[in-house]
Amino acid sequence: KQEVTQIPAALSVPEGENLVLNCSFTDSAIYNLQWFRQDPGKGLTSLLLIQSSQREQTSGRLNASLDKSSGRSTLYIAASQPGDSATYLCAVRPLDSNYQLIWGAGTKLIIKP
Amino acid sequence: GAGVSQSPSNKVTEKGKDVELRCDPISGHTALYWYRQSLGQGLEFLIYFQGNSAPDKSGLPSDRFSAERTGGSVSTLTIQRTQQEDSAVYLCASSLQPDNTGELFFGEGSRLTVL
Repeated sequence: KQEVTQIPAALSVPEGENLVLNCSFTDSAIYNLQWFRQDPGKGLTSLLLIQSSQREQTSGRLNASLDKSSGRSTLYIAASQPGDSATYLCAVRPLDSNYQLIWGAGTKLIIKP
Repeated sequence: GAGVSQSPSNKVTEKGKDVELRCDPISGHTALYWYRQSLGQGLEFLIYFQGNSAPDKSGLPSDRFSAERTGGSVSTLTIQRTQQEDSAVYLCASSLQPDNTGELFFGEGSRLTVL
């Protein structure tokens, strides 16, 4: 059974730092992995989608990597800003599912000014 | 539309009343999902639509919950005889591809409070 884990559950860093959020999954048989952010009381915003054949995706200050064989993905945030404060969620789409996503519990990120 | 639109954004109702939540997906997106997020909890899958069909309704918590989708576009989630434990944010998402590679886009959610 696929399980997705995000560590740490919470992270607080000063503004300007580069940081890495981690997502691990137990079964490498996936179609893709997607990173989202969720602001308090809001819906989810898609950040990056990495297909299983890809190693990384970049968008602005964000870079997501995927190592399928080791069951790991990282989300790298460069030059963090207070506006990056949110909960970051990763989700994988298993090969044996037509539509289901398996979700991590999220990392709550606080960037201190 | 430009994004996934959900209404109402907030709904307060009394226990026992029926509620309808609406989702208008991104134009052209064939796949539509409903999720529920209780306070401080993760996402709970409710139902998935491919076009107007719902291949899997097993995530619906009870027979008080139902959902439909018409014209391959707008979807309505109906909760009958609401209970306090139904209080949560109900999130809708849509995806372009009818296969398994599609990126999911979420709406802002409908926050339901049952008194």
